[in-house]
Amino acid sequence: DGGITQSPKYLFRKEGQNVTLSCEQNLNHDAMYWYRQDPGQGLRLIYYSQIVNDFQKGDIAEGYSVSREKKESFPLTVTSAQKNPTAFYLCASSSTSLSGTGETQYFGPGTRLLVL
Amino acid sequence: GQSLEQPSEVTAVEGAIVQINCTYQTSGFYGLSWYQQHDGGAPTFLSYNALDGLEETGRFSSFLSRSDSYGYLLLQELQMKDSASYFCAVLGNNAGNMLTFGGGTRLMVKP
Repeated sequence: DGGITQSPKYLFRKEGQNVTLSCEQNLNHDAMYWYRQDPGQGLRLIYYSQIVNDFQKGDIAEGYSVSREKKESFPLTVTSAQKNPTAFYLCASSSTSLSGTGETQYFGPGTRLLVL
Repeated sequence: GQSLEQPSEVTAVEGAIVQINCTYQTSGFYGLSWYQQHDGGAPTFLSYNALDGLEETGRFSSFLSRSDSYGYLLLQELQMKDSASYFCAVLGNNAGNMLTFGGGTRLMVKP
């Protein structure tokens, strides 16, 4: 079955600690995205990548970092510089075409990050 | 930049029809999308309007008017399982197929 997986489902971070959230897709999509969702709010874009070894900052990139070494994988690191990291983190992917399914983003199940 | 406004909450009864509105301000976009998200779950794609007019997919329809900077999602024959949050999103015409989401509308369906 094709899809997007995220791990872990829940993650706890201590003060001053960096943590990494995993995102893997087997949909053969070129584009991948990371969003942050706070309770009762919409999704805000953290980073996106259109192709391997390239990524761009979204609206709220400060305190986060990413890498895209493989097409299938787009891990997100929440660094100690992110002072309010408690949120629901969603990874998504899409094709880069605008015809057919290019306009659709497919989301993983999310990772809930909590600060101890 | 892009910004989208939606009502925060809508309540309707089972079997009824409900319309969720979305107004937007954008510097340019390819189309308007709608996503559904159940509590604690991932958003799932519902519909996409590239052109003005109505798109119908089963019980759900979506409408776009570029001249009015307005769209809506219409849900017919409401079922309890339709209780969820619904997000409109514009697909930007800059690089990256980026979506900018509205704040979401929480729909509660009552018996």
